[in-house]
Amino acid sequence: DTAVSQTPKYLVTQMGNDKSIKCEQNLGHDTMYWYKQDSKKFLKIMFSYNNKELIINETVPNRFSPKSPDKAHLNLHINSLELGDSAVYFCASSQITQVSSYEQYFGPGTRLTVT
Amino acid sequence: SQKIEQNSEALNIQEGKTATLTCNYTNYSPAYLQWYRQDPGRGPVFLLLIRENEKEKRKERLKVTFDTTLKQSLFHITASQPADSATYLCALDPHGSSNTGKLIFGQGTTLQVKP
Repeated sequence: DTAVSQTPKYLVTQMGNDKSIKCEQNLGHDTMYWYKQDSKKFLKIMFSYNNKELIINETVPNRFSPKSPDKAHLNLHINSLELGDSAVYFCASSQITQVSSYEQYFGPGTRLTVT
Repeated sequence: SQKIEQNSEALNIQEGKTATLTCNYTNYSPAYLQWYRQDPGRGPVFLLLIRENEKEKRKERLKVTFDTTLKQSLFHITASQPADSATYLCALDPHGSSNTGKLIFGQGTTLQVKP
């Protein structure tokens, strides 16, 4: 009964490769997010989709491209991986149309290591 | 510049005592502030949300205060237990009353409760 799931949990790859991380939520939420948590534990938002529409697009290299096939899925594709992309990537979801609360539900994270 | 800062990187307290964590922000006018718990190797878990017109919020042994004049939120855990040991993150909506769900996170405070 995992609410927000991500695959894979670990990803080790070489510089220059292209990789994807998948995220699915079964909470019926309308909004999904991608965050990056670096080695200093700072959690920074990258993208957000509301009902398949991109609503937040932070200053992120063009090598990162999110895709939302439907409102329950948000994938992250990364081209030409660089050493600095090594981090833990978290997917999250929330129901922002509910005025009462905007809490976010996070996935378990994907630890990406670029060698 | 805009900043959100949490007090010290680590807080060590004795079991049974009250832990108090601080979150200060500058140059933001958030409509609400949230607190999350993060355990090693896991995604953040939502704990409490407090709105700008609320002074205090409680949930079991947790209490959050929000002072928009001081631009500060305090997070208290009473009767702390070793199981409360984790990193606690505060987060705010940077635009106030925005409906994008965007959150800016502090760097977190790691709490260690010793038996």
